[in-house]
This record gives sequence, C-alpha cells and structure tokens, in this order.
Amino acid sequence: DVKVTQSSRYLVKRTGEKVFLECVQDMDHENMFWYRQDPGLGLRLIYFSYDVKMKEKGDIPEGYSVSREKKERFSLILESASTNQTSMYLCASSETEFRPQHFGDGTRLSIL
Amino acid sequence: KQEVTQIPAALSVPEGENLVLNCSFTDSAIYNLQWFRQDPGKGLTSLLLIQSSQREQTSGRLNASLDKSSGRSTLYIAASQPGDSATYLCAVRRWSNSGYALNFGKGTSLLVTP
Repeated sequence: DVKVTQSSRYLVKRTGEKVFLECVQDMDHENMFWYRQDPGLGLRLIYFSYDVKMKEKGDIPEGYSVSREKKERFSLILESASTNQTSMYLCASSETEFRPQHFGDGTRLSIL
Repeated sequence: KQEVTQIPAALSVPEGENLVLNCSFTDSAIYNLQWFRQDPGKGLTSLLLIQSSQREQTSGRLNASLDKSSGRSTLYIAASQPGDSATYLCAVRRWSNSGYALNFGKGTSLLVTP
C-alpha cells in the first residue's frame, strides 16, 4: 500500500511566521501535490512537482513556495503566514498522471 | 475551466439501501475520473479510478460508471452500512496550465443510519 505521511496533524502558528509543512511518500512516485481544503470551496491545488527539483504552480500559489530536494519528500512553505492561510492542507502523490493520487491524512493549520 | 458538480450535497439513508451518488463535469476532455472517500478530519482515501476509455470500475460493493460524452459519473453503493458514512468526492484529471491536475467536486456527505 502507498503511504503518504504528513509530518503534523495539527499546527498552530502566528502571523508573519515562516511555516514548513512536510510530506513524505514511500512508493518512489514521480508526482507530488499540495492542496488546501476549505469549507464551501473544496480542494484547490497550490503547487505540484513532477520530479526532483521541479515545481509548477497550481491554481492558488500566492503566498506559498515549495521544495523538492529528494524524490520522496515535498515541502510546502508559507513564507509569511497570514490568517487567511488557516486551512486543512493535504499532500498527495501518484506514480504517473494516469495512476491514482494517494493522499496523506492532512495537516490542520491555524494561523493566529 | 473545468467545473465539477456533485448532487446531492447531503444524503441520509437507512442501512441496507442501495444508493447512487452523482458527479457531473463541464469539459469532457479528461484523462480519468477518481472517486474518493473522506472521513471527518482525515485525508482522502482513493476508492476507484476510471480511465477516460473505460465505462465502469467495480470494487466490492462499489461500482463507478463514466459517460464522458455527457460529462457524468455515478458511484453506486450496494447494501449500504453505517461504516459507509463519510463524504464522497469525485475528481477529474485533465491537462491545464496547472499540469495534470485534479479538479474536485465539493462532495456528497452520506449518512447511513442503523
């Protein structure tokens, strides 16, 4: 079974802080994704990566950056956290664009 | 822009009933469609993936169908159980400026009562 692990289930940070969310997958998948999920808005794609050191903007990249130094790890960075970034963050990976995406358990992030 | 709609938004059924969840999408140029289950406060669990060339996929009590030309998919759950209570999400995969991204519907919240 594919295992996608997100480092924190719950996180509380303050406005202006630099925040790191970590995601690790154990199946040597090429593709990794970061989404956020908000009530009434559903899941929206923030960034994705097709390979090590590659990154592409999703639908809502503003205020975020990513890092993929190793194939198994994809990090989401909030450069200067703001209250409107309070959300549930979900990481996913897939073998190719034609294979299922597998999700982690999510990180519920609160920015105070 | 791809729009994905799920109807109904919420559904409550007694245990043992067969039920159908609906998903529609506006752009038929998709690569595949994936159904997920999400329990409260948790991540998404993949249930079924249908490639654009396929008509249906089955896994246990679940059957998903795809009619790409009409932009519709259904998820059929047979003999529902209280453990099936969750939010069910459909997502279509297409090529866009965001790469091979998934476009999600907002989900159907299912409650199966004993």
